[in-house]
Amino acid sequence: ETGVTQSPTHLIKTRGQQVTLRCSSQSGHNTVSWYQQALGQGPQFIFQYYREEENGRGNFPPRFSGLQFPNYSSELNVNALELDDSALYLCASSDGSGRSTDTQYFGPGTRLTVL
Amino acid sequence: GNSVTQMEGPVTLSEEAFLTINCTYTATGYPSLFWYVQYPGEGLQLLLKATKADDKGSNKGFEATYRKETTSFHLEKGSVQVSDSAVYFCALSEGDDKIIFGKGTRLHILP
Repeated sequence: ETGVTQSPTHLIKTRGQQVTLRCSSQSGHNTVSWYQQALGQGPQFIFQYYREEENGRGNFPPRFSGLQFPNYSSELNVNALELDDSALYLCASSDGSGRSTDTQYFGPGTRLTVL
Repeated sequence: GNSVTQMEGPVTLSEEAFLTINCTYTATGYPSLFWYVQYPGEGLQLLLKATKADDKGSNKGFEATYRKETTSFHLEKGSVQVSDSAVYFCALSEGDDKIIFGKGTRLHILP
């Protein structure tokens, strides 16, 4: 039991819509990262937040944005949804500040389907 | 840029067989290396990790050794069980919390 939860479990949207996915990190974890896992692929890094500030970003367009809150929760927002955004979205938390040795704990993910 | 390449699946073995899943990496510095496992219907779990050359990570009978000379981190288990059926991801992290994953290897263990 990692203590990282995500909601909703599944979501269906249509192209052009906007979506907000939520993550609740383990208490005390100051860092949260978001990943996109397309079917049959490994997770791809979207961005990371450390103490409510963006701390790194992968190759994703600006329509992917995030927020981190003081209560260890965070959001991933995606605007103008495209069919290729259909994927499993994972959040991961850690108690480090960017060290590569920090262990990240993953949530179960939100399965987003864009029609 | 940094990358991870792991053997394509699916891999199908009989129970009690020896398992090797190959993983090689490309990195500019000295990354930490990980194996993550994704059981059916569950989230990613860290299986084991190694943070420097020649380190051996181990957990639940699985082992992997950080080989800098061959840039490899192969996953091994001496005797697999049906419950080991899952998707295994090799991954690296260098200098920050961003993890770079391989594409995953699906493992089927037959009773």
